[in-house]
Amino acid sequence: SAVISQKPSRDICQRGTSLTIQCQVDSQVTMMFWYRQQPGQSLTLIATANQGSEATYESGFVIDKFPISRPNLTFSTLTVSNMSPEDSSIYLCSVGQRDAKNIQYFGAGTRLSVL
Amino acid sequence: DAKTTQPNSMESNEEEPVHLPCNHSTISGTDYIHWYRQLPSQGPEYVIHGLTSNVNNRMASLAIAEDRKSSTLILHRATLRDAAVYYCILRAVIQGAQKLVFGQGTRLTINP
Repeated sequence: SAVISQKPSRDICQRGTSLTIQCQVDSQVTMMFWYRQQPGQSLTLIATANQGSEATYESGFVIDKFPISRPNLTFSTLTVSNMSPEDSSIYLCSVGQRDAKNIQYFGAGTRLSVL
Repeated sequence: DAKTTQPNSMESNEEEPVHLPCNHSTISGTDYIHWYRQLPSQGPEYVIHGLTSNVNNRMASLAIAEDRKSSTLILHRATLRDAAVYYCILRAVIQGAQKLVFGQGTRLTINP
């Protein structure tokens, strides 16, 4: 298993500003992911954070809006840029190992409200 | 992407068994069936997974149909702490990357 720490746990931001969310894992992992969970909805994968290279984004998500960094095997950041009220969601970091089980472990999430 | 279909909600009583169904008729031969659950105000947590054979662990059992087009998560004796949204997910390998694609899940309510 893996213990994931996400910061901040929640924030209230003004329209047009940006927020960077941090994800720290207690062990080295091969895979790190970022998900969004809009109010009352299921989880949607934003991107896979690749160590040492650009993140791989899912359809509908772009790097300019959600830049991601992954400088090493235990840390990643997601920035939500130029925020609007539609970005109000829970953002979750998830990690896993590249093996047959593909079990993913999730952080508690960052609850973002944009005014 | 391979899709799963689950009932939106289910209700059960405490200390009774719960059977949560999932249909995945388009499953491919290499897709694992994963179950996660999300307790209120928490991130999802892994419950169980399987490929072809039934699986048991300390949390639950997973019964997989012989044709693999459906599966059932079994909670043998539900407690109030099992109230959560349960997600049945097919682990998909898309463009060489392993991904978990979440559906809408089943919201399980446990009555005391």
